[in-house]
Amino acid sequence: TQLLEQSPQFLSIQEGENLTVYCNSSSVFSSLQWYRQEPGEGPVLLVTVVTGGEVKKLKRLTFQFGDARKDSSLHITAAQPGDTGLYLCAGDPPGNEKLTFGTGTRLTIIP
Amino acid sequence: EAGVVQSPRYKIIEKKQPVAFWCNPISGHNTLYWYRQNLGQGPELLIRYENEEAVDDSQLPKDRFSAERLKGVDSTLKIQPAELGDSAVYLCASSLGSGAEAFFGQGTRLTVV
Repeated sequence: TQLLEQSPQFLSIQEGENLTVYCNSSSVFSSLQWYRQEPGEGPVLLVTVVTGGEVKKLKRLTFQFGDARKDSSLHITAAQPGDTGLYLCAGDPPGNEKLTFGTGTRLTIIP
Repeated sequence: EAGVVQSPRYKIIEKKQPVAFWCNPISGHNTLYWYRQNLGQGPELLIRYENEEAVDDSQLPKDRFSAERLKGVDSTLKIQPAELGDSAVYLCASSLGSGAEAFFGQGTRLTVV
């Protein structure tokens, strides 16, 4: 059983549209991180959320950590072709210091 | 400052042959991770080091995989013998401590034929 489930697995939308991707778990996390990975590269950290209910913004990207610290969402406004990539959430459950990755959402923005 | 450096970037080998990957983490980062990433999936942890000690190798297939971080700095991951199912991208990452932000290298793409 995957500790972190991401949805949707694939998403293809037109440039300028808005989108939301989700990261869900039955476990509580001390913190949760979002990464973006481009082909041929390693994942690059976008943001870390720590507090339940926390909202962080990074330009057109809005990240939210669920109140119970079991889930998170990433909302992109006015998507651009440069947003294309594999979006990964990762977390470390309390008492387990293993940084565990989700299944990923592969996002394609069509010009 | 240089990021996490991995080599080689690509490796193609025949099954049953040995292969080794090298990783040089960011200076000062005590925690080093090796992950395996299959196509279209998230990375899966193979082993985590705190300095030179392997503190989590529960996901490492120990019959054919081995890893070293002798001086607590750079690390090698070895597969011997390689199998077709080992084809994947092997990612190395480092961080200041467990649970802290992890910085990844570009990975080594292994193809076993």
